[in-house]
Amino acid sequence: DAKTTQPTSMDCAEGRAANLPCNHSTISGNEYVYWYRQIHSQGPQYIIHGLKNNETNEMASLIITEDRKSSTLILPHATLRDTAVYYCITESYSSASKIIFGSGTRLSIRP
Amino acid sequence: GAVVSQHPSWVICKSGTSVKIECRSLDFQATTMFWYRQFPKQSLMLMATSNEGSKATYEQGVEKDKFLINHASLTLSTLTVTSAHPEDSSFYICSARGNSGDQETQYFGPGTRLLVL
Repeated sequence: DAKTTQPTSMDCAEGRAANLPCNHSTISGNEYVYWYRQIHSQGPQYIIHGLKNNETNEMASLIITEDRKSSTLILPHATLRDTAVYYCITESYSSASKIIFGSGTRLSIRP
Repeated sequence: GAVVSQHPSWVICKSGTSVKIECRSLDFQATTMFWYRQFPKQSLMLMATSNEGSKATYEQGVEKDKFLINHASLTLSTLTVTSAHPEDSSFYICSARGNSGDQETQYFGPGTRLLVL
């Protein structure tokens, strides 16, 4: 799987949009970009995924650059409950694939 | 989305005993499940891949005789920590592959916190 690079930590004011960047410059053509988050003492939660088009769901939006070498997860109106570690992962989902977690970005939402 | 459960959510045991942790996919079938371990302030570390009806595949450095994995059905995988010691105390998390729209997605359980005294 391709490696990803994320900032170690970020903070954002409550009610503002939180934009979390991720670099995946070695991503291959059949790999998707997945985002998960882990709230303290819980299992990771799936947020969103995409291949090359921008995606939006009830939780977030995912913007993938045209060259697919980077992406941004957008939480449109951050709340205190969005405080978590956010993981950006690339995954091809072949029969042998498995998710390897990096360090992620620790997002803190301030009141 | 798909739901994965784990049981128990936490367990305390004496050193030398064995502990079994169950991972279930509640509303979908999972031919592949994964087991992770997480120490405080660290990221999740993949321990092994559990395949229904066949032997698990362990990551480098994970002792297969200490961490026994059984995936007897399409909805259940178990991890048994044998002869547990204090250094095995950790947060154990399982995941299972399910479908999200047109693409498989990995869904995670809530985790099991193990404390070995």
